[in-house]
This record gives sequence, C-alpha cells and structure tokens, in this order.
Amino acid sequence: SQQGEEDPQALSIQEGENATMNCSYKTSINNLQWYRQNSGRGLVHLILIRSNEREKHSGRLRVTLDTSKKSSSLLITASRAADTASYFCATRYSGGGADGLTFGKGTHLIIQP
Amino acid sequence: DGGITQSPKYLFRKEGQNVTLSCEQNLNHDAMYWYRQDPGQGLRLIYYSQIVNDFQKGDIAEGYSVSREKKESFPLTVTSAQKNPTAFYLCASSTGNEQYFGPGTRLTVT
Repeated sequence: SQQGEEDPQALSIQEGENATMNCSYKTSINNLQWYRQNSGRGLVHLILIRSNEREKHSGRLRVTLDTSKKSSSLLITASRAADTASYFCATRYSGGGADGLTFGKGTHLIIQP
Repeated sequence: DGGITQSPKYLFRKEGQNVTLSCEQNLNHDAMYWYRQDPGQGLRLIYYSQIVNDFQKGDIAEGYSVSREKKESFPLTVTSAQKNPTAFYLCASSTGNEQYFGPGTRLTVT
C-alpha cells in the first residue's frame, strides 16, 4: 500500500527542547495531516496542511510541506512531558483510490522530565 | 457530549469464532472508517462507508465484514477467515478531511 514513512522511528529529548519529526510519501496528495496517539488510545488530529501550502502553525506546532521532495516535517517547540506520544503523518491521495487516509508507521516521542 | 465510542475496550475470543466490534458516533458524520493497528505500525484501512447503506473495501478487507444500516453505527465483524485477527482496531468518522477517532478495541484471539 502507499504508506508514508516517518523519521526517526523514535526520539527522546529533554523537556523544553524542540522535537522535529519528518514524513515522506510517495505520490501526489491533496493534503497531509499529523495525528498524535497516546499509548493504547485513539488518534487525535493535530494539524492539516494542503498541497498548495508550504507552512502552517498551530500553537507550539509548526508543519512544513515540500511537495517537490514529497516530504513534511512536524516541529514541536518547548516540549512538555505531556507531548510524549506517537506521532503519525497521514495523507489523502489525489486521483482516486480508497477514501481513507494512508498512515505512516509513526515516530515515538519521549520527553524526559 | 459529542464523540465516537467503541466497545468493548478489550475483547478476547477463541480461534474460529466470529466477533463483532461496535462503533457509534453522534457527530452526524456521513463517513465512517475502520482501521487496524499492529504493534509498532501505522494504521491500515479495512473498510469505509461514505453514506448509509453503502460501504467499500479498504486495503485489508479480507476476513472482515461491515454493515451501515444507520448513520450513527458502523459495526465491524472479524470472521474466522481472518488469519491473524489479534490487533488494535480503531474506528473513525469524518465530514471531510479531518478524521475523529474512537478509543479503540484491543482484540485478542487465542
């Protein structure tokens, strides 16, 4: 299946530092979304960036999109212990296919107090 | 209190038995989805429904069945034909781009 890939698979940083996660995908997209999943729970939508946008902010989150490189990054600034979770990018492909989102395998972020 | 609910949270079944997972939403969303998540993996789409009485196969529909008789409900049946049913199952609903997820059901088949 056309799955995105997050990088790194796992990331451990100190509280207060910034965390950056990357996502690569394979074909043309309508939009790219980032979700957070706390252990054993459902996913929570964080932010959506459309294919004609290059950067978007929401609170401590900053997302960039480079369609020429088929990649996106999620930056969490001034991290907190509560940010510990897995983060997934999800793409909605243009040009048909199943109507669900296609998810990467996620980046597991650990914030050390 | 609007949202999407899944029950039960944990489910245990013997091999060879069919089992049905519940998903209910009161968000008035037309579209609903079922995903499967295995340890350390992303989500894979099983089935989706864009409107009542209609549903489509996702990437891994084999061994699963669904129904969409009501807008609020989208139950998933894991049949005995599913070779590796133990997983975390997530239901979601949507009006467009953003998807709202339920808390998930962890199914263990022994």
